[in-house]
Amino acid sequence: AQKVTQAQTEISVVEKEDVTLDCVYETRDTTYYLFWYKQPPSGELVFLIRRNSFDEQNEISGRYSWNFQKSTSSFNFTITASQVVDSAVYFCALSEEAPQGGSEKLVFGKGTKLTVNP
Amino acid sequence: DAGVTQSPTHLIKTRGQQVTLRCSPKSGHDTVSWYQQALGQGPQFIFQYYEEEERQRGNFPDRFSGHQFPNYSSELNVNALLLGDSALYLCASSFFDPKYNEQFFGPGTRLTVL
Repeated sequence: AQKVTQAQTEISVVEKEDVTLDCVYETRDTTYYLFWYKQPPSGELVFLIRRNSFDEQNEISGRYSWNFQKSTSSFNFTITASQVVDSAVYFCALSEEAPQGGSEKLVFGKGTKLTVNP
Repeated sequence: DAGVTQSPTHLIKTRGQQVTLRCSPKSGHDTVSWYQQALGQGPQFIFQYYEEEERQRGNFPDRFSGHQFPNYSSELNVNALLLGDSALYLCASSFFDPKYNEQFFGPGTRLTVL
């Protein structure tokens, strides 16, 4: 069965600090997809990144970077030089390929609430 | 390029009533999924529609039903509302092809059951 664990419930940092959000996943499939979403107070889930299980290259997008390690089943997310606007709940999610075609549902972790203080 | 839209934004109902939530997918997307997000929790998958058929279903009772229309828009219906159905209901759209399976979410409908 699929499972996503985000052990950090809440993190509080001061602006300009770097912060890493942890995500550990469980799946029996060899083909799967990992995602990160941001949910600001407005409530809308904003897509940040998607990785497939065959691509372990780390990715950097501006101040955001992601570290995917299959050996430890982790897909961690780092924000460099955090800003107040980064304050939100961040969700890690997992999806597998459906036997009947298409993609399986997204299975979400419980989220990490990040507060960046000025 | 319009993103995913949902209506209404907020809804207040009483126990036992029925509710219909609506979703229009992002332009070009053919698959719609619905999720329920209780306060302080991650979204939970309800069901997914593609080609006007329910393709997958999560652990939700039959009181939760849906529909997809030829223009790919979708409805979520909940009958015999319970207090526990109070939540944010999120619609997500995507391409069916798993190579392009990023799900984009709408702003949600906040349902309160009194």
